[in-house]
Amino acid sequence: TQLLEQSPQFLSIQEGENLTVYCNSSSVFSSLQWYRQEPGEGPVLLVTVVTGGEVKKLKRLTFQFGDARKDSSLHITAAQPGDTGLYLCAGASYNFNKFYFGSGTKLNVKP
Amino acid sequence: EAQVTQNPRYLITVTGKKLTVTCSQNMNHEYMSWYRQDPGLGLRQIYYSMNVEVTDKGDVPEGYKVSRKEKRNFPLILESPSPNQTSLYFCASSLWGQGTAHEQYFGPGTRLTVT
Repeated sequence: TQLLEQSPQFLSIQEGENLTVYCNSSSVFSSLQWYRQEPGEGPVLLVTVVTGGEVKKLKRLTFQFGDARKDSSLHITAAQPGDTGLYLCAGASYNFNKFYFGSGTKLNVKP
Repeated sequence: EAQVTQNPRYLITVTGKKLTVTCSQNMNHEYMSWYRQDPGLGLRQIYYSMNVEVTDKGDVPEGYKVSRKEKRNFPLILESPSPNQTSLYFCASSLWGQGTAHEQYFGPGTRLTVT
């Protein structure tokens, strides 16, 4: 059983559409990170959110940490083919030693 | 160039034959960790280390060993590999402490097949 549930698992959309990826848990995390992974490579950090209710923006990507620090969302505005990849959320334990990853959302943006 | 290196990148072995996957980082990071990635399961943490000689179990430590004798190296040892350890393995490193989760830098991965 995954501690962090990500949805949807797969998403195939046209260029220019908006999308939201969700990361949910019944556990509280000290922080939540979002990574993006390309085929054949390791994940690369996009953002870390720490405070409940926190919202961070990275160009067309908006990240939100739930008020109770149990869930998070990633919203992409006007998706582009370059956004294609596997998006992973990762929750950190209370002492920041252990990390729990979601199962990932595979995004395909068609031109 | 700041990086995490893993060797080998690909390995096919047989059940029971001991193997070691090496991991090295050149960023002077205190924290290092090993993950395995399986389809539909995301990354699962195997072991982690907060500094030299300090290691602890992650979520799926069974069948694995690690050591941290030097700050830059964190090898993963499979004493008696089994087919259920066939997976894609990632090593990662980061700063540690100061009451926050730091960015983890991942290696390129090691694809292991145990027959």
